[in-house]
Amino acid sequence: SQTIHQWPATLVQPVGSPLSLECTVEGTSNPNLYWYRQAAGRGLQLLFYSVGIGQISSEVPQNLSASRPQDRQFILSSKKLLLSDSGFYLCAWSVLASSYEQYFGPGTRLTVT
Amino acid sequence: AQSVAQPEDQVNVAEGNPLTVKCTYSVSGNPYLFWYVQYPNRGLQFLLKYITGDNLVKGSYGFEAEFNKSQTSFHLKKPSALVSDSALYFCAVRPGLSGNTPLVFGKGTRLSVIA
Repeated sequence: SQTIHQWPATLVQPVGSPLSLECTVEGTSNPNLYWYRQAAGRGLQLLFYSVGIGQISSEVPQNLSASRPQDRQFILSSKKLLLSDSGFYLCAWSVLASSYEQYFGPGTRLTVT
Repeated sequence: AQSVAQPEDQVNVAEGNPLTVKCTYSVSGNPYLFWYVQYPNRGLQFLLKYITGDNLVKGSYGFEAEFNKSQTSFHLKKPSALVSDSALYFCAVRPGLSGNTPLVFGKGTRLSVIA
């Protein structure tokens, strides 16, 4: 069966520090991968998605970036965090075989201080 | 452009009563429709989907949803609510044209089931 991992689970970082959040998927090949941010327990904001290694689509211009160095690995990064980057970051995957419904990871709670 | 509307920020229902969480959509082409649930500090969990076929879709935890093409709606329902159903619910849509298009999510509806 497929599983998705995110780490760390929680993170407290000072303003101006770098960020690296990692997401990996097991049990499937060539998934579409997604990064979302959720503020204050409400709506989801799509940040990036990827349909293959090295292919990244950015939905919102900001100080975040994403990379997909391997088929089942998706990394969210920032060189300098802002207070507004605080939130709950969710990674998700989907494949054609499941009609592209998205399956979400457990999330990373980021607090920028 | 595709969009999803969840008109209610909050729905309150007594335990044992039927519940409905509303969702309307706007897409080009035939829609793929989804419902997800999120418990505090957790990722979203897939509940059910409509792709084609019967307009009434059954999903996890006793939930079901009815696809209504004329009203462009996909309301989530459950005949008898449980306190444990209290959570944040998201409706999502994807046009059936391209599998690589990300889902578009509604803003979410918070369901509170009162004992």
